[in-house]
Amino acid sequence: DAGVIQSPRHEVTEMGQEVTLRCKPISGHDYLFWYRQTMMRGLELLIYFNNNVPIDDSGMPEDRFSAKMPNASFSTLKIQPSEPRDSAVYFCASSLDREETQYFGPGTRLLVL
Amino acid sequence: GDSVTQMEGPVTLSEEAFLTINCTYTATGYPSLFWYVQYPGEGLQLLLKATKADDKGSNKGFEATYRKETTSFHLEKGSVQVSDSAVYFCALGDRGNNRLAFGKGNQVVVIP
Repeated sequence: DAGVIQSPRHEVTEMGQEVTLRCKPISGHDYLFWYRQTMMRGLELLIYFNNNVPIDDSGMPEDRFSAKMPNASFSTLKIQPSEPRDSAVYFCASSLDREETQYFGPGTRLLVL
Repeated sequence: GDSVTQMEGPVTLSEEAFLTINCTYTATGYPSLFWYVQYPGEGLQLLLKATKADDKGSNKGFEATYRKETTSFHLEKGSVQVSDSAVYFCALGDRGNNRLAFGKGNQVVVIP
């Protein structure tokens, strides 16, 4: 299996622009997680899905952030409008079960100028 | 909710030295415990895990034992290499919130 795939790997944008991050989980995994990693705050869980349904979005920082999972093989995390403080590495992870090992993608490095 | 605590600060040591990274947890019930490793520029990878008390997880020379009596899951390696330089995260399966709870991570730097 190719593992969790994320795109783009790097994104540089200007404040106010819309940013869309993409994730393809490992086939057969029922759980998908979006994380954000910064030096100041470490690794934060933003939202997770089970069978394409958002279960817990309490980690989403504010209404500018939204996530969707239209089918079992694709998810997006959108920031609109983006702000410099959104600069971070965003990871997607998937797992077979909520208590099982999570497999992480390589991340998207976002820089908002 | 359930949580893990890792020792503060980066760890710098010489090649072939002994490595210990402390991790303690707070949980109701009996969660699974994990160590993840993040190499520079990459995502997190599972290093090892343990699912019940007294279990020992091991991989690539690293070991950690699930200690219920001390609520700990310390990571150890007897002889580190430069290639072990990475950030190490302790995590537990938080059944109450259906997620993994990660510690803040420890940067390990191994100098030749």
